[in-house]
Amino acid sequence: NAGVTQTPKFQVLKTGQSMTLQCAQDMNHNSMYWYRQDPGMGLRLIYYSASEGTTDKGEVPNGYNVSRLNKREFSLRLESAAPSQTSVYFCASNSGWGYQPQHFGDGTRLSIL
Amino acid sequence: DAKTTQPTSMDCAEGRAANLPCNHSTISGNEYVYWYRQIHSQGPQYIIHGLKNNETNEMASLIITEDRKSSTLILPHATLRDTAVYYCIGDSGNTPLVFGKGTRLSVIA
Repeated sequence: NAGVTQTPKFQVLKTGQSMTLQCAQDMNHNSMYWYRQDPGMGLRLIYYSASEGTTDKGEVPNGYNVSRLNKREFSLRLESAAPSQTSVYFCASNSGWGYQPQHFGDGTRLSIL
Repeated sequence: DAKTTQPTSMDCAEGRAANLPCNHSTISGNEYVYWYRQIHSQGPQYIIHGLKNNETNEMASLIITEDRKSSTLILPHATLRDTAVYYCIGDSGNTPLVFGKGTRLSVIA
């Protein structure tokens, strides 16, 4: 059981390049989330999708777009990468019903030069 | 969701119980207390959650005070592999989680 799978695991971009981070879950979860974590900090929510077909902004959405492609997949896109977006990105999912814990992927480490 | 306050760091001797406190004085009646941990920049891992009763699972125990203003996560026999950042989070079930900076637990041999 893979759980939450993120690709790629590492990526280096140049300022201004675009990129899509992929996330897929195999737990039939309704809700999916994208977080970023900067060094020494907690996780900050970028966007989330409470159910297929819906997306909402989190705490730090500027510079990002998301797509809930289907129930399994939730992608995060950087249209024009900036050095301030250098971070570790985590995807998570949960059932979305009641009080259910989130399951996290292993993260994508993104460096923007 | 309730704002939580945790110590920045703690040490624990290997084999001893690790008691990690969390203050959540503004927690509302329908908010659960969740604990996650993050080992060396891996994705956070769910540990345990509770509403008002004490809870125990294979990983840890959660003790919630009667007034629900604070809680303690207990790792009964800490090992070196328990070295991690531990996050205490209030969750009302209908809004996204808010992660603070957590407590960095160092288990020392």
